[in-house]
Amino acid sequence: QSVLTQPPSASGTPGQRVTISCSGSSSNIGRNSVNWYQQFPGTAPKLLIYSNNQRPSGVPDRFSGSNSGTSASLAISGLQSDDEADYYCAAWDDTLSGQGVFGGGTKLTVL
Amino acid sequence: EVQLVESGGGLVQPGGSLRLSCAASGFTFSNYPMTWVRQAPGKGLEWISGVSGSGSGIFYAASVKGRYTISRDNSKNTLYLQMNGLRVEDTAVYYCAKPLRSTWSPGFDSWGQGTLVTVSS
Repeated sequence: QSVLTQPPSASGTPGQRVTISCSGSSSNIGRNSVNWYQQFPGTAPKLLIYSNNQRPSGVPDRFSGSNSGTSASLAISGLQSDDEADYYCAAWDDTLSGQGVFGGGTKLTVL
Repeated sequence: EVQLVESGGGLVQPGGSLRLSCAASGFTFSNYPMTWVRQAPGKGLEWISGVSGSGSGIFYAASVKGRYTISRDNSKNTLYLQMNGLRVEDTAVYYCAKPLRSTWSPGFDSWGQGTLVTVSS
């Protein structure tokens, strides 16, 4: 049971815009920034979005992040076949002594 | 270029111990908190422990607290994870990760290749 809740799956057709949600609480998303990752099977995750809506160098502007209250979203526009991957949100959680937390992950399928 | 290279994984019996290492290069190691993240086969990512740049600040996930010990040697640019009392459910690929910015926020722009820990009798 992950502290951050994501839908287990999402899908879209090429060229479409899809969003992936990440629901948390006042101890994590409600007070700390959200990060998003893309992961392909057998490889380490890649940082897509940090500080809610910032893209690291080299990440296409098709990927964008937003948040409101205790929820965050990752949007992918102009969907491409090679966007098919697992996506994770992550944030710091201030519960107890503090720790990082990840969402359970969303498997994105490009139809 | 930032490089993180983990080592020390392997097969261990339940109740056993392992020590993972992560050799870092390409950045000023002592300026960044460092974190271990694991991923069980077919499962999602799990943040398990982090240590501040100086080594004085340490955090653990509840699932490993009391069994795992994180540490670092800034003179050797190396991060460690001592794992004791291993359980079958600790089986996972273990990654070390460096944040993009020197904060505790889990925005990791650099990851190691991962080292597989298998706990089985």
